[in-house]
Amino acid sequence: AQTVTQSQPEMSVQEAETVTLSCTYDTSESDYYLFWYKQPPSRQMILVIRQEAYKQQNATENRFSVNFQKAAKSFSLKISDSQLGDAAMYFCAYRILPNYGQNFVFGPGTRLSVLP
Amino acid sequence: NAGVTQTPKFQVLKTGQSMTLQCAQDMNHEYMSWYRQDPGMGLRLIHYSVGAGITDQGEVPNGYNVSRSTTEDFPLRLLSAAPSQTSVYFCASSYSIAGDQPQHFGDGTRLSIL
Repeated sequence: AQTVTQSQPEMSVQEAETVTLSCTYDTSESDYYLFWYKQPPSRQMILVIRQEAYKQQNATENRFSVNFQKAAKSFSLKISDSQLGDAAMYFCAYRILPNYGQNFVFGPGTRLSVLP
Repeated sequence: NAGVTQTPKFQVLKTGQSMTLQCAQDMNHEYMSWYRQDPGMGLRLIHYSVGAGITDQGEVPNGYNVSRSTTEDFPLRLLSAAPSQTSVYFCASSYSIAGDQPQHFGDGTRLSIL
């Protein structure tokens, strides 16, 4: 079975500090893509960052960056200079190349609180 | 640019009632899907479609039907609502089923079954 694990149900960070959210996944596929989505209280699902598994270089989007360890099947999200607006549920997900099956798998989420 | 539009945003049903959750996208996306979100379980795929006229089951399809008569619309039908179907439902779409395509999500429908 293909699964995504987020071992931290809840985390908190002080405003302006850095926090890392962990994610591990299990797949037998060699080609896939990894994503982090943010879900604020508004319930919208917002794409934060994505990473191609074939790329060794870690993706970066402004204050958000990932630490992708393919051999360890680990895909953590680092948020630098945390802001109050970063408070949300964060979901890790991966998507394998087309197989006409369930090709987008989500983790259970980590709720991040940002303390002023 | 509306993106993915879901209606209604909230709905309360009685056990045994039927209803249809609407989903429409205006991005000409091939791939559309329905998820349910339950506490501590992330998003689970109910049904998906890779194009008009083509649908298939996801992880938790029981109790739900879908159809895709047009590229734009992908309604989800609850045939006989059960309390276990109380959840938040998300419709999502992407340009294709290719792995590098992120999904665009609607704002969700909160459904309560009494």
